[in-house]
Amino acid sequence: DGGITQSPKYLFRKEGQNVTLSCEQNLNHDAMYWYRQDPGQGLRLIYYSHIVNDFQKGDIAEGYSVSREKKESFPLTVTSAQKNPTAFYLCASSKYRETGELFFGEGSRLTVL
Amino acid sequence: AQRVTQPEKLLSVFKGAPVELKCNYSYSGSPELFWYVQYSRQRLQLLLRHISRESIKGFTADLNKGETSFHLKKPFAQEEDSAMYYCALSPLSGGSNYKLTFGKGTLLTVNP
Repeated sequence: DGGITQSPKYLFRKEGQNVTLSCEQNLNHDAMYWYRQDPGQGLRLIYYSHIVNDFQKGDIAEGYSVSREKKESFPLTVTSAQKNPTAFYLCASSKYRETGELFFGEGSRLTVL
Repeated sequence: AQRVTQPEKLLSVFKGAPVELKCNYSYSGSPELFWYVQYSRQRLQLLLRHISRESIKGFTADLNKGETSFHLKKPFAQEEDSAMYYCALSPLSGGSNYKLTFGKGTLLTVNP
């Protein structure tokens, strides 16, 4: 079953803790993206990566970090430096250098207690 | 810089009525415009893109470069059209800096 898998779906964290959200895809897509979705704010781009071992900051990268060691995987770490981490996080992928369709995961909801 | 504006957070219409979801954009180069839809408890998915000039589920959208708009229209709304709709923009040429910028979304409710 092809697609994008995000885990966990729900995550609770105490203030001051780092947490890592997983994103895996088996679509053989080169590009992967992380967005944050807040009510009334739409989707805002956190980080994106077009090829393995390379990634760029999006519009709201502060307090987040990523890695792209494998084509299939693009984990996002929400660090303690992120001032307002409670949100819904969406991962997506697309073919490289094609203005085309983004395929989205089901999302991960992070709540900081 | 890429920017997408959806002026309406909420839009409510009755079944069978026409619906238009507004989208305006700002981009110095040649853009590609998209509409994405998120139905309740489903993943965000592509609805249509201006390049393909398709009508999907009865929806159409025309890119108006003069007015920098890409409004989504449907002549007769159905209850199953109720969803969150996002307008999005990307550079037409793609490349290493390719990214999709989304608007804040419009929640469409179609009442029976």
